[in-house]
Amino acid sequence: GESVGLHLPTLSVQEGDNSIINCAYSNSASDYFIWYKQESGKGPQFIIDIRSNMDKRQGQRVTVLLNKTVKHLSLQIAATQPGDSAVYFCAENIRGSNYKLTFGKGTLLTVNP
Amino acid sequence: DVKVTQSSRYLVKRTGEKVFLECVQDMDHENMFWYRQDPGLGLRLIYFSYDVKMKEKGDIPEGYSVSREKKERFSLILESASTNQTSMYLCASSLAGAGETQYFGPGTRLLVL
Repeated sequence: GESVGLHLPTLSVQEGDNSIINCAYSNSASDYFIWYKQESGKGPQFIIDIRSNMDKRQGQRVTVLLNKTVKHLSLQIAATQPGDSAVYFCAENIRGSNYKLTFGKGTLLTVNP
Repeated sequence: DVKVTQSSRYLVKRTGEKVFLECVQDMDHENMFWYRQDPGLGLRLIYFSYDVKMKEKGDIPEGYSVSREKKERFSLILESASTNQTSMYLCASSLAGAGETQYFGPGTRLLVL
């Protein structure tokens, strides 16, 4: 089965709050991670990525944290907006697997106005 | 910006029909992928191509074939559509090499009656 998983299938937050979406992985050889956002009826959209030689990476309103000790990845969204409502899923690339990404099943984020 | 387009957003076909799904990318990416996405199962890789006329089976190739005659175009073929092939089909592309981000198209929602 997939080694990438999610702690919560759904997350509901108030507009303006910060959101944290979590992802666990089990393969210590995973060396590259990506977060995608998928809105209803659309294809996944790249948000941010991080390589295993980093612990943190920031983008616009988003931060990805990587804890290799416990094999945990999180996506933080600051000041969550209604337009952030979507399914978010992580993907990992295992060193040596070349092109292959393993995808988590996703967390549905709902932002309440 | 990376642009991946798919020929149809929605398709309705009958059992036994031959179905062609087309994907085009404009970023000169070497790698192209076909996935299907089903509720509760996440993204599953059907086929992968790393160069013109080159292909590799993914996790669920049965019932599908692919064609890559030009670098920018990757086609998925259902030789004889069946109802269990009703799904969301997603095309993606990436640069060559390990640990490269895959960029997705908008998806084709296929219904086989």
